[in-house]
Amino acid sequence: DAMVIQNPRYQVTQFGKPVTLSCSQTLNHNVMYWYQQKSSQAPKLLFHYYDKDFNNEADTPDNFQSRRPNTSFCFLDIRSPGLGDAAMYLCATSRSISYEQYFGPGTRLTVT
Amino acid sequence: SQQGEEDPQALSIQEGENATMNCSYKTSINNLQWYRQNSGRGLVHLILIRSNEREKHSGRLRVTLDTSKKSSSLLITASRAADTASYFCASSGGSNYKLTFGKGTLLTVNP
Repeated sequence: DAMVIQNPRYQVTQFGKPVTLSCSQTLNHNVMYWYQQKSSQAPKLLFHYYDKDFNNEADTPDNFQSRRPNTSFCFLDIRSPGLGDAAMYLCATSRSISYEQYFGPGTRLTVT
Repeated sequence: SQQGEEDPQALSIQEGENATMNCSYKTSINNLQWYRQNSGRGLVHLILIRSNEREKHSGRLRVTLDTSKKSSSLLITASRAADTASYFCASSGGSNYKLTFGKGTLLTVNP
């Protein structure tokens, strides 16, 4: 059974049109992460939640925001997608920081 | 922040051969982890080695850690075509213990 689920798997949005990606987990993990991964590059951490505490990376653009309404769900909101935001977005969870992370299958975002 | 660097960037071998990938990092760590990523998919955790450990095994995987050289290696023995994937090391350290991923090694195992 899938433990970290991401929807949708593929998302096409228009330049400047807000988009929301979702992630859910059945592991009851405390930490949820959002990564951006561009082709042939390492995953880049955007932000993470430790329970309800939000932790933004210093270089994450203001265009990216996140919500975690409960333990199971976490959302990534891109307010005004640009062409440079086209990428794979990966959600991951872990029991605590520095523990092994469990990744979802990713959402591939295309911006037209 | 610390950055893991994998070496080589790409590796192509024949089925049955062993594959060795190396990773270097810059600052002291709490642990180092290896992940596999099949094309277009999420990452899968393979193995975690703590800073006080020197070697760890899991099936056909063997990971070593040399904290004096700030380096780790991942050995896959008797490789299979299904091992074809990108392999990333990720180091956890610093004041916040967050993972920092390296750039990855693309392994191709030819049948």
